[in-house]
Amino acid sequence: EPEVTQTPSHQVTQMGQEVILRCVPISNHLYFYWYRQILGQKVEFLVSFYNNEISEKSEIFDDQFSVERPDGSNFTLKIRSTKLEDSAMYFCASSVGQNLYGYTFGSGTRLTVV
Amino acid sequence: DQQVKQNSPSLSVQEGRISILNCDYTNSMFDYFLWYKKYPAEGPTFLISISSIKDKNEDGRFTVFLNKSAKHLSLHIVPSQPGDSAVYFCASPSYNTDKLIFGTGTRLQVFP
Repeated sequence: EPEVTQTPSHQVTQMGQEVILRCVPISNHLYFYWYRQILGQKVEFLVSFYNNEISEKSEIFDDQFSVERPDGSNFTLKIRSTKLEDSAMYFCASSVGQNLYGYTFGSGTRLTVV
Repeated sequence: DQQVKQNSPSLSVQEGRISILNCDYTNSMFDYFLWYKKYPAEGPTFLISISSIKDKNEDGRFTVFLNKSAKHLSLHIVPSQPGDSAVYFCASPSYNTDKLIFGTGTRLQVFP
């Protein structure tokens, strides 16, 4: 069964450092997303990406965040200068169509900012 | 702004019995609802969905009921199995956008 692959599974970084979280969506999917879940809280939308551009972003997704699909297969989330409160599980997801039967999520990257 | 709410953070059920997980929503524009299941260290996986034109959808041991007047949906698992132990999220696509709004999740523990 096709799956969304995320690397690394766990990343520890110092506050102020840049991190790049990587995702390989399912190959025939057209819509790509990043969500995050701070420990004990709900899963929150960060950004959606379609046709090589951001289609929607939340208020969490400020100037410190960026996304890129550099080579047609990878989908990356960059945090330029990490803060302690960025510590969370970050989930990538992809879907064939918009809002159709939800998405396929990756298994997540646990980001710990120290 | 909790548009999707799961008021029970946890539920413990004996194997073989029914598990009922509840979800309330505030936005009457929501017209499609999904349940996701999440194991530790894994991403959420789609379980079952329901459109607002229906009040029930069944898939094997899983049934979702929708009460639009009460803005309430529930997921029934019958019979519950230990492998069902996970966190269950209800979610809805936000109207006219492509993001999912999640509830806070309910941790289900099925014991033998």
